[in-house]
Amino acid sequence: GENVEQHPSTLSVQEGDSAVIKCTYSDSASNYFPWYKQELGKRPQLIIDIRSNVGEKKDQRIAVTLNKTAKHFSLHITETQPEDSAVYFCAAPADKLIFGTGTRLQVFP
Amino acid sequence: GAVVSQHPSWVICKSGTSVKIECRSLDFQATTMFWYRQFPKQSLMLMATSNEGSKATYEQGVEKDKFLINHASLTLSTLTVTSAHPEDSSFYICSALIPGQGYSGANVLTFGAGSRLTVL
Repeated sequence: GENVEQHPSTLSVQEGDSAVIKCTYSDSASNYFPWYKQELGKRPQLIIDIRSNVGEKKDQRIAVTLNKTAKHFSLHITETQPEDSAVYFCAAPADKLIFGTGTRLQVFP
Repeated sequence: GAVVSQHPSWVICKSGTSVKIECRSLDFQATTMFWYRQFPKQSLMLMATSNEGSKATYEQGVEKDKFLINHASLTLSTLTVTSAHPEDSSFYICSALIPGQGYSGANVLTFGAGSRLTVL
């Protein structure tokens, strides 16, 4: 079955810096990779997603890159702001969505 | 847009009682819903897949007699925690796939607001 690993578990950056979170997956048949953001006590919300037929997708300050050969995909946040502080989860599909262990991002003003 | 509504948002109960959590899909039909459990500072752990009109599929290690799932209609799935004990205290979140809302038509997993259960 699918196995998803996510690193780092915690990430602290200064406001304005960039943040990168990486996930690896095991099932080469996986073809859809979403990223979710979960603020404290709230529901996870989809922030960006990518399909396996492209290598990169960008939406304003966030981007996701995919390396199918190496089976890893990364979330990039540029010009970080305090409101980016949250837990971020990657996911990869098997017959159901398997989530990574999460990365707690703290952006200090 | 399509929304997943979950109630109650928090519940406190005595040990030994049962608690029901409802998950509704608003403005769309969900033949499949998913129930997750989340401990503090941990990831989302899939408990079971709820299938409309048939039995739920439970993940390994999840007690089906403890966590009863009913998906009687295309818009409602319920999770009942039976004979709750303090170790059942957790954040329970339901979700449903919304067709075609993801990148290039992918189905997007959308979550309810979650239910925080505290068992005294």
